[in-house]
Amino acid sequence: GAGVSQTPSNKVTEKGKYVELRCDPISGHTALYWYRQSLGQGPEFLIYFQGTGAADDSGLPNDRFFAVRPEGSVSTLKIQRTERGDSAVYLCASSIGSYGETQYFGPGTRLLVL
Amino acid sequence: GENVEQHPSTLSVQEGDSAVIKCTYSDSASNYFPWYKQELGKRPQLIIDIRSNVGEKKDQRIAVTLNKTAKHFSLHITETQPEDSAVYFCAATGTYKYIFGTGTRLKVLA
Repeated sequence: GAGVSQTPSNKVTEKGKYVELRCDPISGHTALYWYRQSLGQGPEFLIYFQGTGAADDSGLPNDRFFAVRPEGSVSTLKIQRTERGDSAVYLCASSIGSYGETQYFGPGTRLLVL
Repeated sequence: GENVEQHPSTLSVQEGDSAVIKCTYSDSASNYFPWYKQELGKRPQLIIDIRSNVGEKKDQRIAVTLNKTAKHFSLHITETQPEDSAVYFCAATGTYKYIFGTGTRLKVLA
């Protein structure tokens, strides 16, 4: 079946602009996660959705970052007033359940803030 | 806070040799330990995982061992091939939040 997909694959923006990153999870997966991966590092947790609700957003760096999953499927990560330090690969993952379940990752969106 | 240390950061082996990557976790509540392979510009792909009620798991050329007492787990790749060249990440979780290691860049020299 289809895996996790993310769009766009690359996004270049200017400092101060607003960006939206989209994630389509595997069909039937109720849990969805966003991670951020900086160059040479492992992915770092940002936010976890169970269904439509954000069950844990403790990894979001500040209030410029926000994510939604209105219908319990597709999710959008929104970044306001982008800064150069936001440049990274943003990975989305989904799993059939949550605790101790295998997470399947998307290809990521590579964000570059100039 | 929760932490996973991974060593070495880079590893070069001759084709056909074995490779071992080691991780140490801090949260004693961790009970699931997946390993991902990530090729340049690609998504992390699960290659093997282990749960805390098992000490070892093997899948063809890949094996993972877990020492709960020492909070160590290791990835073993035997008979390495050039296509094994990639960055490998370990992770640990006792909930839904994966804590990843910093990655090991494996180079298999032909």
